[in-house]
Formats: sequence, C-alpha cells, structure tokens
Amino acid sequence: EVQLLESGGGLVQPGGSLRLSCAASGFTFSSYAMTWVRQAPGKGLEWVSAIRGSGGSAYYADSVKGRFTISRDNSKNTLYLQMTSLRAEDTAIYYCAKDLYGDFPEYFQHWGQGTLVTVSS
Amino acid sequence: DIQMTQSPSSLSASVGDRVTITCRASQGIGTSLAWYQQKPGKAPNLLLYAASRLQIGVPSRFSGSGSGTDYTLTISSLQPEDFATYYCQHYYSTPQTFGQGTRVEIK
Repeated sequence: EVQLLESGGGLVQPGGSLRLSCAASGFTFSSYAMTWVRQAPGKGLEWVSAIRGSGGSAYYADSVKGRFTISRDNSKNTLYLQMTSLRAEDTAIYYCAKDLYGDFPEYFQHWGQGTLVTVSS
Repeated sequence: DIQMTQSPSSLSASVGDRVTITCRASQGIGTSLAWYQQKPGKAPNLLLYAASRLQIGVPSRFSGSGSGTDYTLTISSLQPEDFATYYCQHYYSTPQTFGQGTRVEIK
C-alpha cells in the first residue's frame, strides 16, 4: 500500500525558513516523479514544485522559484521541500503527491495527509 | 504559463441531477488534463486523466471530454457523496496549474 507522510510544518516568521519532508513507502520511490501541491486556508489547489525520479530535473511554480528547493533522497525514500524567504502568502497546507505512472510529473493518485505551514509574526 | 479557468465557481444541484463543469486552458494542451474531487479536510482524489480516462475505482457516472483548450467533467446522476469541490489540472508542461475549483452544493 502506498503511503506518504509529510512532516516539518509549523509556525515561522516572515523571512524565515522551513524544511518539509515526505516519507514514502509501498512503492519503488526512485521510479516515480514526486510533486508538492499546496492549499491556502479556504482556497484552491496550487502546484508548487516537482522532481523526477532520479532527482536530475526539478520544476517550480513562478511564485516560489528562487525561494524553494525540492530534493529527494532515494536511499531514504524521502522527498524534501526547503523553503526560504517565507511570506504570509506561503501559508498553506502542503501536500506531497506521487505520480500515478512514472518518472515525469503528470497526475496524482496518491497524496499525503498534508502538513500546515503558517507564516506569521 | 498555462492558465486554467473553471466554470462555474459553484453550483447547487439535487440528487439525481446531471452536472457539468467546464475547464478552459489559456493555450492548447491536447488531452493532458486531469480532474480531482476534494472533500473538506481531505486530500484530493483523482477522478480522470488524459481528459477522459476514468481512474480505477471511480464510479462510471463520472465522465470527461475535450481536447485542445476546452474540457468538461460530467456527473450523470449526482449522488449524495458527490457533493464536494472539483478541480481540473493540466500537465502539458511545467509549471502545471490547477483550475480555481468548482464547489458542488446541495440544493
């Protein structure tokens, strides 16, 4: 059974940093692209960043480019999102999601439960 | 970046109604479109991909169509468990984007 478990969320001041983790199990982690999607309170879904299975290619939304870095450790079956220069508008639930079929980020059958990031002074 | 526009943003319907939600891309995306259902406090659930392919386990009352820039999600006979918010997502290129969502409420 595929399981994705996010951690690392919390309260951080504007300008601060935070690293999210997503521990994966139940599938061959290195074979699948992984994606971060966020949802601000009461708002819609926003695609944030994705990374191919090998970790060789990463992709970002314009809203986070230059501030967030996605990475993965395939030996630990773990996905990361390093967030810096955080802003109030980054406040959201952050979900990690597994691509349904393969190595290129497309669409997602499996999602974690989400971790809440709150950026506030 | 490709923008996705859904309509309507919300609708009220009764059990048994036929419901149609539309999604328009700002440029052609072929059939690189997925639909998700999200219930409050839960992660999204994949309904369809490749514009019209039903994900395993999703009831056949859900269907999708379209290509190019215009797409529809249809629920043929709305059931009580279908009251939720629905999102389209393109995956034609990165960055991928979601539509703003359509909330389906009970009339």
